[in-house]
Amino acid sequence: DAGVIQSPRHEVTEMGQEVTLRCKPISGHDYLFWYRQTMMRGLELLIYFNNNVPIDDSGMPEDRFSAKMPNASFSTLKIQPSEPRDSAVYFCASSAVTEAFFGQGTRLTVV
Amino acid sequence: KQEVTQIPAALSVPEGENLVLNCSFTDSAIYNLQWFRQDPGKGLTSLLLIQSSQREQTSGRLNASLDKSSGRSTLYIAASQPGDSATYLCAVRYGGATNKLIFGTGTLLAVQP
Repeated sequence: DAGVIQSPRHEVTEMGQEVTLRCKPISGHDYLFWYRQTMMRGLELLIYFNNNVPIDDSGMPEDRFSAKMPNASFSTLKIQPSEPRDSAVYFCASSAVTEAFFGQGTRLTVV
Repeated sequence: KQEVTQIPAALSVPEGENLVLNCSFTDSAIYNLQWFRQDPGKGLTSLLLIQSSQREQTSGRLNASLDKSSGRSTLYIAASQPGDSATYLCAVRYGGATNKLIFGTGTLLAVQP
């Protein structure tokens, strides 16, 4: 397996634009996590899914953030409209009930 | 509230030293605990996974221990090398209805040649 795949690796966008981050989990994993990493706040859990169903989205900062998992092999995190304070590295991770594996992350810069 | 804390926040040691990184968690009802390594600008690499029923796990020069009752885990690195320089993160997996994976604040390790 190629591991958890995220795209794009880097995204630069203007304030107010819509941003969509993508994640392909490891085949067979039934948990998918979205995290945001900043220097100030470290790694924050935004939302996670089990069997494509959102279980806990209490970490999603605002209504501008939304996440979907239409099938077991794909998830998106959308920010609309984006703001400069959304600039961060966004990670996706997948797991079965044991070890979690992370993607390489998407570095988002909102100018 | 489920919180995970790591001490120290940063550590600098000369090459060859043995060192210990600490991880504390407030809710002891964990399912497992995982240690990760993160190099600058990179993703997270899994180092060791300890199930709640286990006391320790070893991989090469790394040894991780778990004491659920006291809410602590340690990562021991033997004979440190400059290539060990990175940020080390512990993550606690809670079971039951939630199954969250919550991260600590990380320890930035620098091993001086």
